[in-house]
This record gives sequence, C-alpha cells and structure tokens, in this order.
Amino acid sequence: AQSVTQLDSQVPVFEEAPVELRCNYSSSVSVYLFWYVQYPNQGLQLLLKYLSGSTLVKGINGFEAEFNKSQTSFHLRKPSVHISDTAEYFCAVSDYQAGTALIFGKGTTLSVSS
Amino acid sequence: DARVTQTPRHKVTEMGQEVTMRCQPILGHNTVFWYRQTMMQGLELLAYFRNRAPLDDSGMPKDRFSAEMPDATLATLKIQPSEPRDSAVYFCASGLATGLNTEAFFGQGTRLTVV
Repeated sequence: AQSVTQLDSQVPVFEEAPVELRCNYSSSVSVYLFWYVQYPNQGLQLLLKYLSGSTLVKGINGFEAEFNKSQTSFHLRKPSVHISDTAEYFCAVSDYQAGTALIFGKGTTLSVSS
Repeated sequence: DARVTQTPRHKVTEMGQEVTMRCQPILGHNTVFWYRQTMMQGLELLAYFRNRAPLDDSGMPKDRFSAEMPDATLATLKIQPSEPRDSAVYFCASGLATGLNTEAFFGQGTRLTVV
C-alpha cells in the first residue's frame, strides 16, 4: 500500500520569495506522483504530475516538482510566489497503472503575504 | 466546458436522517472516485468505480454508507443514518483509465453538516 507524507502543514512566505513544499512517499511498487491545489471552497485542481521520463516536471502557474526515486520524494517548488498562490497543496500517489485511486497526503497550507 | 458536477453543494441535516449526494462525472469518463475531506483526516478515499462496477470500497463504513452508479452519468453516495461525525466535505472525481491517462478531475464538493 502507498502512503504520502507532507512534511509541513503550514508554510508562510512573503510575496516574490521562493518556496518549496515537501512530499515523501512510500510504496512497494512503481508509482505515479501528483500535486493538486485547492483554493478555498473549491475542488482540487491538478498542478502537475510525474508519470515517467524526465524527473523535473513543470506544471501550471509556474510550479515545478522533482522526482527523486532514491529519496522517495517529490518536492514542489516555485521561484517567486504571488499572493494568489495562497491555497492548500496536496501531494498524491497512485499505483503504476491507469485509473487507480489517488492516495493523498494531509496537505500543506501555503500562505503568501505582502 | 467539461466538469464534474456535485449536488447539493451544501447540506445540513439532523442526526439519523438519510443523506444522498449526487455526482455527474465528465461524459466519457469510466472511473469515478468518492473522497471525504476533514480537518483531522485530510482526504480519504471512500470508494471508486470502473465502468460502473465497484473496484474498492474498503474506505467506506459499510454499516451506514453505500455508493452506487445507477448509470454512467450518475454516481450516488448515501449515508443512512447520518451521524455528527459524518460532517465533512465529500468530493467526487472522475477519470478515464486508458494508457497513461491518470488524471482525476474533481467536483466542487458537497459540504455536509450533521447536527
């Protein structure tokens, strides 16, 4: 069975600063990895995903993540955040096959202030 | 604009009452997921369906919860009887399980309050 650990429950940063949201996973099989974002009172929206190939994955809104198999990590980064990036961010893992359910971490609240 | 539609968006009910939440997956998607979100537990997978058949409902309390797909355009999640601890946001998501297609598209959620 897979599991996901998001190491920080809250990350406060100032506008235009860089940010890294950390995610580690545990699995006995190959996995797909995802980052989703949730704005207040909204559903989840896919930011980016790693399926195979290059370990550096670029997503929407200037976010990117790097898959590190040896460290079982998939950290999310953005070089310069905006106020509008304030949201909850979820890392998720699924089995290495299409259409299996995503298992989510507990989430990280990113708060960007001016 | 294809999207997953959940109804109702908000529901307040008294303990012991039956609650039914509905989900219309994106047309053509063959996989439907139900998740529950709470502050304490985060996002928990309750059940999911492929081609309308349940694949996994191990996350769902069987004594009071039931999930069905009467047809390809409707998924339902029922709680009977409801309890205060069921208060949460319930999300439906759909996806198309082919090849490397793994993205799950989420609805806006149903916020359930049981008093």
